[in-house]
Amino acid sequence: AQKVTQAQTEISVVEKEDVTLDCVYETRDTTYYLFWYKQPPSGELVFLIRRNSFDEQNEISGRYSWNFQKSTSSFNFTITASQVVDSAVYFCALSGNTGNQFYFGTGTSLTVIP
Amino acid sequence: GAGVSQSPSNKVTEKGKDVELRCDPISGHTALYWYRQSLGQGLEFLIYFQGNSAPDKSGLPSDRFSAERTGGSVSTLTIQRTQQEDSAVYLCASSLYGRQGTNIQYFGAGTRLSVL
Repeated sequence: AQKVTQAQTEISVVEKEDVTLDCVYETRDTTYYLFWYKQPPSGELVFLIRRNSFDEQNEISGRYSWNFQKSTSSFNFTITASQVVDSAVYFCALSGNTGNQFYFGTGTSLTVIP
Repeated sequence: GAGVSQSPSNKVTEKGKDVELRCDPISGHTALYWYRQSLGQGLEFLIYFQGNSAPDKSGLPSDRFSAERTGGSVSTLTIQRTQQEDSAVYLCASSLYGRQGTNIQYFGAGTRLSVL
């Protein structure tokens, strides 16, 4: 089965705190891609990152970092020194090498309190 | 240079009516996806178009749902005889290529459908 689980439904943090959003995936494909998207209150999903299954290097982009671990089938997302503008719903998604579907998790709603 | 455009942004309809939702993808993008997002839920795949290939309709929830993509560009999602459970946000996304995984999907702001 292809599945993405985001167990954290809602998270609230105080501004400047670090926060990690969890993503666990299931797939039978040997080649697959993982994505994170941000959905601000305006509703339009914004692409953040794509990672393929052969590249387990962690990635950092400014205050954002991603930790990909195939051994635990996880692709977690950390925001360092959170800001109010980070408040949004964050979705993790999986795309395998069979079929055309992307599989999205149910999202984590992050609220950053000033 | 415009992003994915969806119209209308909001649609209120009565149960039993037909509705059409429109998506204008990014120019030059060959792949187009429709998703449904219900309150508090993730994105549910509905249908996928890639170039001139037959669409992947495997996600359509019933035969009341259909979609077309004319000229490889604009797409219309049609819901016939709407039901209250069809109320959701319908999102459209396009990507440059259609191959799985190589896609980066760019999303529109969605159409919020309310069926009374």
